[in-house]
Amino acid sequence: AQRVTQPEKLLSVFKGAPVELKCNYSYSGSPELFWYVQYSRQRLQLLLRHISRESIKGFTADLNKGETSFHLKKPFAQEEDSAMYYCALTRGGYNKLIFGAGTRLAVHP
Amino acid sequence: DGGITQSPKYLFRKEGQNVTLSCEQNLNHDAMYWYRQDPGQGLRLIYYSQIVNDFQKGDIAEGYSVSREKKESFPLTVTSAQKNPTAFYLCASSMGWSGELNTEAFFGQGTRLTVV
Repeated sequence: AQRVTQPEKLLSVFKGAPVELKCNYSYSGSPELFWYVQYSRQRLQLLLRHISRESIKGFTADLNKGETSFHLKKPFAQEEDSAMYYCALTRGGYNKLIFGAGTRLAVHP
Repeated sequence: DGGITQSPKYLFRKEGQNVTLSCEQNLNHDAMYWYRQDPGQGLRLIYYSQIVNDFQKGDIAEGYSVSREKKESFPLTVTSAQKNPTAFYLCASSMGWSGELNTEAFFGQGTRLTVV
């Protein structure tokens, strides 16, 4: 079965510290992986997708098919990074997104 | 103001009553989706629609119904058959499948439904 696992419900770091939000998935085909973010009182929005191979707001994520992981990383966390982060993948060709349970990132001054 | 709009933001209903949540988009997107968000469980897909007059069940469709009579509208009805309807509901839309690339989903602000 297709599944996305985010093992940490809460990740608490200090400003300037490195951040890694973990995401593991199970999928029988070739997935497209995403990270979505929800800042306080804002809509859920796309942060980045693996196919773009880009860095958004200093965040990067590499798809590791061998380990079936898509961890989100940032070398130096900022207070404005505090938010809820969801890892997601598609299944089939119809953009049906499967989401993980989410990880709340709290960056302290 | 372009985007996807859900209404109302908060909704209270008595147990046993059906209730309909509204979702409208003016992004000219073909695909629309309904998700349910519960604490600790992420977002679970209820129904999705790729095109007008067509929709498919997601993972947790039981107790829900939808319609897609217009491209811009995808209302969700929570019926009395839904055993645990109190939740946060999110609607999303996207361009739909585009060749080998799936496209970004845009989300509404959500509706919090409380059944008492």
